[in-house]
Amino acid sequence: KAGVTQTPRYLIKTRGQQVTLSCSPISGHRSVSWYQQTPGQGLQFLFEYFSETQRNKGNFPGRFSGRQFSNSRSEMNVSTLELGDSALYLCASSFGGAYGYTFGSGTRLTVV
Amino acid sequence: GEDVEQSLFLSVREGDSSVINCTYTDSSSTYLYWYKQEPGAGLQLLTYIFSNMDMKQDQRLTVLLNKKDKHLSLRIADTQTGDSAIYFCADLLAGFSGGYNKLIFGAGTRLAVHP
Repeated sequence: KAGVTQTPRYLIKTRGQQVTLSCSPISGHRSVSWYQQTPGQGLQFLFEYFSETQRNKGNFPGRFSGRQFSNSRSEMNVSTLELGDSALYLCASSFGGAYGYTFGSGTRLTVV
Repeated sequence: GEDVEQSLFLSVREGDSSVINCTYTDSSSTYLYWYKQEPGAGLQLLTYIFSNMDMKQDQRLTVLLNKKDKHLSLRIADTQTGDSAIYFCADLLAGFSGGYNKLIFGAGTRLAVHP
């Protein structure tokens, strides 16, 4: 079966712009989580959606937001980009958290 | 807050066993995971263990859990060059609104396999 699909794979944006990243979960998975990976901070939880509702949010500024659609696809948005937002953004989907999360290949965002 | 710690680097010879260690602080931990990340790729789920288990074996992988010491290890038997990657230990935390919904990751252990 198809895995978790993230688009685009690479993105270059200018400071101050905004960006939208997309994630299509595995069919049947209703939970979608987003993580930011940087060399300095490692893997950090951004937020989790389940059935179109945000269930939990990590310690990130309000510039980071997300949503989930009725088909479980999710998007995350970062407004007013800063250089420090350069990172690999990973999406993960799950049937139920205890069964493990399947990660996509990520979107590498570079802010210049 | 909850934390997960790992050693950062491990070098082994091809054919030997590798043991990657992890400690966590969450006293109510229920599921612990091992993920593998190769260069330029996302995270691949290798295996997981439920907190009421001491050991889980899956082909070349053996996971040991010492709940008293909050210590988790991953043993890779007959390590191959293709096993070279970064290995992450992760603890699943239950969310405040119910359900399991947050992974806390260690910094990752870079495994280098040499001939």
